[in-house]
Amino acid sequence: GDSVTQMEGPVTLSEEAFLTINCTYTATGYPSLFWYVQYPGEGLQLLLKATKADDKGSNKGFEATYRKETTSFHLEKGSVQVSDSAVYFCALSDQGYQKVTFGTGTKLQVIP
Amino acid sequence: ETGVTQSPTHLIKTRGQQVTLRCSSQSGHNTVSWYQQALGQGPQFIFQYYREEENGRGNFPPRFSGLQFPNYSSELNVNALELDDSALYLCASSFTGLGSYEQYFGPGTRLTVT
Repeated sequence: GDSVTQMEGPVTLSEEAFLTINCTYTATGYPSLFWYVQYPGEGLQLLLKATKADDKGSNKGFEATYRKETTSFHLEKGSVQVSDSAVYFCALSDQGYQKVTFGTGTKLQVIP
Repeated sequence: ETGVTQSPTHLIKTRGQQVTLRCSSQSGHNTVSWYQQALGQGPQFIFQYYREEENGRGNFPPRFSGLQFPNYSSELNVNALELDDSALYLCASSFTGLGSYEQYFGPGTRLTVT
């Protein structure tokens, strides 16, 4: 079945550092890929998405590129802020089904 | 545009009891999915409802059941609660149609089973 593997956290960075959170997936067909963010005590918010190979999703300075050849969707940001501290989930959706399969999440802590 | 809302926010139940959680979908959405998120884990798909019928189910026992109403709101029912059912329950709504796959999540209901 479908699965998502993402790097374990926590990841601790200083403000303005470069962020990479690795994510790889296993799926049949051509899934859509997502990054969701969960701030403390809150539900999930969609951060960005990509629906086909080579698509780049971007939002709030975060980017991720759908790499079909490496089955990856790594999240990057050039300069993190304290307000980016949260748990980040990589996820995929089978386009014919809409079920979303999530990774286990990566906690990011940004220190001033 | 009203987002996804869930009630209650928090709930404490005793093992063996039954619980009902509620979800109102986002305006214009016709599909509701439920997820269970245990502490420190990613959400796990429970089931999805579309046109008032179950449209797929994850690896959860039959004591997890649901309903979808004509206004697309939904309920999640859990019978014979177990301690391991303690989790954050997330509802997500989406529109089933051409090219629409994004799920929008509510804030969740925190269920504690003692």
